[in-house]
Amino acid sequence: DSGVTQTPKHLITATGQRVTLRCSPRSGDLSVYWYQQSLDQGLQFLIQYYNGEERAKGNILERFSAQQFPDLHSELNLSSLELGDSALYFCASSVVGTSGGDTGELFFGEGSRLTVL
Amino acid sequence: GQQLNQSPQSMFIQEGEDVSMNCTSSSIFNTWLWYKQEPGEGPVLLIALYKAGELTSNGRLTAQFGITRKDSFLNISASIPSDVGIYFCAGRVPRSGNTPLVFGKGTRLSVIA
Repeated sequence: DSGVTQTPKHLITATGQRVTLRCSPRSGDLSVYWYQQSLDQGLQFLIQYYNGEERAKGNILERFSAQQFPDLHSELNLSSLELGDSALYFCASSVVGTSGGDTGELFFGEGSRLTVL
Repeated sequence: GQQLNQSPQSMFIQEGEDVSMNCTSSSIFNTWLWYKQEPGEGPVLLIALYKAGELTSNGRLTAQFGITRKDSFLNISASIPSDVGIYFCAGRVPRSGNTPLVFGKGTRLSVIA
C-alpha cells in the first residue's frame, strides 16, 4: 500500500460525457502528479500541483483540468470524452526533501481505469 | 521534450537467470529512478539514484547512474517468478524548481519457471 488513494478504481462512460477522478496523497506529501497510461504506452505526465498551486504542465488536453484543494486532495476532470481517452489514470505524490523541495521519488496510487464507449 | 529509450521492450528468461535492462536519454538527467508495475497496480519505486556513477542495490536488484548522466542500468540477479512485471526507468532533468519525471516505455519481464 503506497498510501496514495484513488477513486474510482473503474469507470465506464460514453463519449461526450464528463468524469472526475479523485486522489488523496500520502500524509505529509504536498505534491500531486497526474499521469496517463494508455495500452502498451509508458506513463505520460499530465499535470503537477504543489500545495494547492499548479507547478508543471505536461501533455494535458484542454478538455482536461485539475485542481488541488486545501486539504491537498486533488481531482482530475475529463470532459467531452473521446474513445481515445480510455486509459489508466494514475495519481502520485512525492516525498518532500529536507530542503523542502520535491525529491522526485513518486508514490503511485492504484489508478483509475477509464473506459469510454 | 526529453525522451527516454528503454531496452529491451520485453524479455523472456528462465528462473534463476540474471536480467539486465537499460535506459538512455538525449538529455542529461540529475535523477534516475526505477519502478516496477504489476498487473492492476500502480508503479512501485525500486531504486532511486542521484549522483553520476552511483551504484545502488535493493536486494537482488542493482542499478547504476551512468557517468555521462544520460543513461542508467538495472540488473536483477537470480530471477524468480515474482519478478514478472513491467520495469520503468524515469529521469528528471536538472532545472530550477521541481520538474516532473519523464518515463521510459518499460521493459516487460516474463520469467519461465
